[in-house]
Amino acid sequence: DGGITQSPKYLFRKEGQNVTLSCEQNLNHDAMYWYRQDPGQGLRLIYYSQIVNDFQKGDIAEGYSVSREKKESFPLTVTSAQKNPTAFYLCASSATGTSTGGGYTFGSGTRLTVV
Amino acid sequence: KQEVTQIPAALSVPEGENLVLNCSFTDSAIYNLQWFRQDPGKGLTSLLLIQSSQREQTSGRLNASLDKSSGRSTLYIAASQPGDSATYLCAVFINSNSGYALNFGKGTSLLVTP
Repeated sequence: DGGITQSPKYLFRKEGQNVTLSCEQNLNHDAMYWYRQDPGQGLRLIYYSQIVNDFQKGDIAEGYSVSREKKESFPLTVTSAQKNPTAFYLCASSATGTSTGGGYTFGSGTRLTVV
Repeated sequence: KQEVTQIPAALSVPEGENLVLNCSFTDSAIYNLQWFRQDPGKGLTSLLLIQSSQREQTSGRLNASLDKSSGRSTLYIAASQPGDSATYLCAVFINSNSGYALNFGKGTSLLVTP
């Protein structure tokens, strides 16, 4: 079955550490996205990529970095510069990132906690 | 900046009732609107996608309408069941300063009691 796989499901980070969240899709989608979800705040866009080897900052990119070396993969690194990283992180993909606007498919999420 | 608002924030109904969830957006220049369901601690499941040229979409007991000119969408759930309990999110696909992406409301938390 096609879909998006996020791993790990739960992740714990010590102060000052960088951690990387994995996102893999086998839907042959061109566009991929990372969102952050906090209680009572809805989803906010961190980074997105419309094509391999290209990505753009979203609304809250500070303290995060991404890469898009393969169409199937869009890993997110939460760096030590991110002051409040505890949140639920969701990865998504869509057939295209342009105005033709296909529907989004989401992964099951990674819950990151700073300890 | 596009603002997406969902009303009510929470809703509790007895099983069997028909109910309506509301979504409004401030800028009518959207490409499509999508309704999602989220169970606690889980990812998002797409329910219905309405393109900007469409007025409504239906899937089973769910019906979503879109009025672009007034900036409104409604999700109608017929004959609600306890299994419908979840958070329902509305999102509009726009071209903003951040590029093409979904812009989300904060959701409506629905509880259907037996």
